[in-house]
Amino acid sequence: SQQGEEDPQALSIQEGENATMNCSYKTSINNLQWYRQNSGRGLVHLILIRSNEREKHSGRLRVTLDTSKKSSSLLITASRAADTASYFCATDAWGGAQKLVFGQGTRLTINP
Amino acid sequence: NAGVMQNPRHLVRRRGQEARLRCSPMKGHSHVYWYRQLPEEGLKFMVYLQKENIIDESGMPKERFSAEFPKEGPSILRIQQVVRGDSAAYFCASSITGTGQSAGELFFGEGSRLTVL
Repeated sequence: SQQGEEDPQALSIQEGENATMNCSYKTSINNLQWYRQNSGRGLVHLILIRSNEREKHSGRLRVTLDTSKKSSSLLITASRAADTASYFCATDAWGGAQKLVFGQGTRLTINP
Repeated sequence: NAGVMQNPRHLVRRRGQEARLRCSPMKGHSHVYWYRQLPEEGLKFMVYLQKENIIDESGMPKERFSAEFPKEGPSILRIQQVVRGDSAAYFCASSITGTGQSAGELFFGEGSRLTVL
């Protein structure tokens, strides 16, 4: 299975702290994406990192990709209560049919 | 610019009935994906369609489930003879990527929550 696996499954931190979530996958990929899902809502795209990239930034988000270890991390700096959500990584298998396969997600809770 | 529109948002069916879920992709998007999400779990890929074609249905159960994306109108996910285990949130997503390219950003709808009594 190519499915990404996020770690930890749940994370609870204080507002203002940094949150780090990890994702591991099994096969070669074209790209890896991170999505956020607020409770009861659809997923929202956060950031896409290509297989030839090692790091990418977007606002308070920093994503790294290590293709040798088949892993990625998402760092949210200076967390806010509004960052409370589930975060999913999704991979697009190299040579695959362009479908994204999602992991189980990390449930992030930011305590005020 | 309207996003991905799914309806109904909530659907209740009794065992044995049929459920039809509709998805209108974003304007200009010709690629549609259906995912299923059980409570507290990730999204499970079901099917990937382009206009009038099923590209990948490897995640679709072999029986009772079907999907289409006609030339005109929304994509439809159809579940016949529903059972309690079909209760889940069904999400549709669309993208603009073309053949031979890697999957780009997916734009998701708000989901259709099916409850089977």
